[in-house]
Amino acid sequence: EPEVTQTPSHQVTQMGQEVILRCVPISNHLYFYWYRQILGQKVEFLVSFYNNEISEKSEIFDDQFSVERPDGSNFTLKIRSTKLEDSAMYFCASTPKGTVKQFFGPGTRLTVL
Amino acid sequence: ELKVEQNPLFLSMQEGKNYTIYCNYSTTSDRLYWYRQDPGKSLESLFVLLSNGAVKQEGRLMASLDTKARLSTLHITAAVHDLSATYFCAVEYGNKLVFGAGTILRVKS
Repeated sequence: EPEVTQTPSHQVTQMGQEVILRCVPISNHLYFYWYRQILGQKVEFLVSFYNNEISEKSEIFDDQFSVERPDGSNFTLKIRSTKLEDSAMYFCASTPKGTVKQFFGPGTRLTVL
Repeated sequence: ELKVEQNPLFLSMQEGKNYTIYCNYSTTSDRLYWYRQDPGKSLESLFVLLSNGAVKQEGRLMASLDTKARLSTLHITAAVHDLSATYFCAVEYGNKLVFGAGTILRVKS
């Protein structure tokens, strides 16, 4: 069964550095999402993306964050000038046209030191 | 802004017992999801509830949705240790899912 994949599984970075988290959504899916989960807390929506543009973003998704679909397969989340509080698990999800179920990737654990 | 509340947040139960997890939400939505998460793992989709009165069952888990009451339940029948995990409900709101805080379920033998 097709799956959403994410790389890396764990990223450690120094405060102030930029990181790029990568996702490969399921191939025929059209809607893409990023969520984050701070350790022990609930899953929070960051951004949704459709037709090569952001369709919705949360208050968390400020100028520090950006998303891109640089080619036909990858979907990336860039975090500029990382802060300690950016440490979390970041999940990518995708949805095909015509259904509502979101398929989640395995997540990238980001640790900011 | 949509708020999603789950209770209880922590549930310790004996094997073989039944229990229900509740998910209340504050704004009209017809679509609700239940996910399971094992420690350090991703979210596994359990149920998608798309209309008022929807009821779905898989093994020892049964989920229902009452959109008028803005309430979903996840009922556990004759719990087994393998069900130990964190369970999240999530409500579709616009282009996103809004998650509850999660219920940590521990099944003791």
